[in-house]
Amino acid sequence: EAGVAQSPRYKIIEKRQSVAFWCNPISGHATLYWYQQILGQGPKLLIQFQNNGVVDDSQLPKDRFSAERLKGVDSTLKIQPAKLEDSAVYLCASSFSPGGEKLFFGSGTQLSVL
Amino acid sequence: AQSVAQPEDQVNVAEGNPLTVKCTYSVSGNPYLFWYVQYPNRGLQFLLKYITGDNLVKGSYGFEAEFNKSQTSFHLKKPSALVSDSALYFCAVPSSSNTGKLIFGQGTTLQVKP
Repeated sequence: EAGVAQSPRYKIIEKRQSVAFWCNPISGHATLYWYQQILGQGPKLLIQFQNNGVVDDSQLPKDRFSAERLKGVDSTLKIQPAKLEDSAVYLCASSFSPGGEKLFFGSGTQLSVL
Repeated sequence: AQSVAQPEDQVNVAEGNPLTVKCTYSVSGNPYLFWYVQYPNRGLQFLLKYITGDNLVKGSYGFEAEFNKSQTSFHLKKPSALVSDSALYFCAVPSSSNTGKLIFGQGTTLQVKP
């Protein structure tokens, strides 16, 4: 079974530039999550999709972050413009359904904002 | 609000010795509790979860966790540590308002020395 695919693996940008991350979840998983993991901290949920609808984006900085999952399969997370404090690992995860299910994580995209 | 705390930033143990990684929780209602592991440059992997029933939960790679309601703890254990167990370990609990959203502790680095 293929796992959660993410790209790119690493990205270095300057502040105020834009960046996009891509995620392809495990086939058949309706729920997709984007987490932000800052060094020394646990992952924090940015946004959760159920199929192509947003379930929870309460911690997404909407003035600069956006995400979409147009066809209910793969997803893109964008930051525009990036700030220094956005330096983190961005993890995509998926599950068959929400609520008490284990999550399957991708390897993440490590973003450095200079 | 649901929360978990991992009181130790790092745990050091010799190979072959038993290991314990600590987690305490604060939840309303019956707790669902998870442990995940993150190997270097990899995404998080599910280890085990507690929903209800036996207080000793068995998981992947020989790990187990003991749920203790009176001490509000959910410590991760393994009888005999391996060098390959060296990784970052996270305890997590679902949000009360969105059970698909996991709230993670800050993580504990486990270092197993030969």
